[in-house]
Amino acid sequence: DTEVTQTPKHLVMGMTNKKSLKCEQHMGHRAMYWYKQKAKKPPELMFVYSYEKLSINESVPSRFSPECPNSSLLNLHLHALQPEDSALYLCASSPTLAQNYNEQFFGPGTRLTVL
Amino acid sequence: AQSVAQPEDQVNVAEGNPLTVKCTYSVSGNPYLFWYVQYPNRGLQFLLKYITGDNLVKGSYGFEAEFNKSQTSFHLKKPSALVSDSALYFCAVRDMGQAGTALIFGKGTTLSVSS
Repeated sequence: DTEVTQTPKHLVMGMTNKKSLKCEQHMGHRAMYWYKQKAKKPPELMFVYSYEKLSINESVPSRFSPECPNSSLLNLHLHALQPEDSALYLCASSPTLAQNYNEQFFGPGTRLTVL
Repeated sequence: AQSVAQPEDQVNVAEGNPLTVKCTYSVSGNPYLFWYVQYPNRGLQFLLKYITGDNLVKGSYGFEAEFNKSQTSFHLKKPSALVSDSALYFCAVRDMGQAGTALIFGKGTTLSVSS
């Protein structure tokens, strides 16, 4: 199984809602990533987990809260978002964070709209 | 600091003609270089990478890229373009000597292949 899955595909939420994005992979990868992507722009790294520990946090606002419950699963909890947070949220995984030569495998993304 | 430049926002080519999407990079050490493709409303798909060795790298869907150390370039090429190649292409780099760092993306180049 060489796939990264993400749910839901689409999410519309109000600024006072709490929601979560889910990402799963069964490739045995120990590095997992959250990216935010605006239309026709490159992905912007948000968080990286390595062996279920948060390794990189790119100064993301606290209204985004990542969680890595186990080696296959990555969540992104959302609370009190702003309209400018509307974007495609991409999850990715790679065998390890330290091995820079490995490519990342991306999921299809969750299209988030904040009203 | 690491960086990637994709000098063209858009490349237009007729079906059957060769295509080139340009990428130049800057790293303090030696680079690992990657190309990804993104179709509308999808995640990124890995095309190919340069780690070491042969400067000409072959990848998925008939794409190839040539690593040129003196020109710090890693241009993506295909001998005969297909309409289905129309998509957004990202070049990315990691510094070989800096384990555990983020993947740095270029701004992206939109490839449009006309029939």
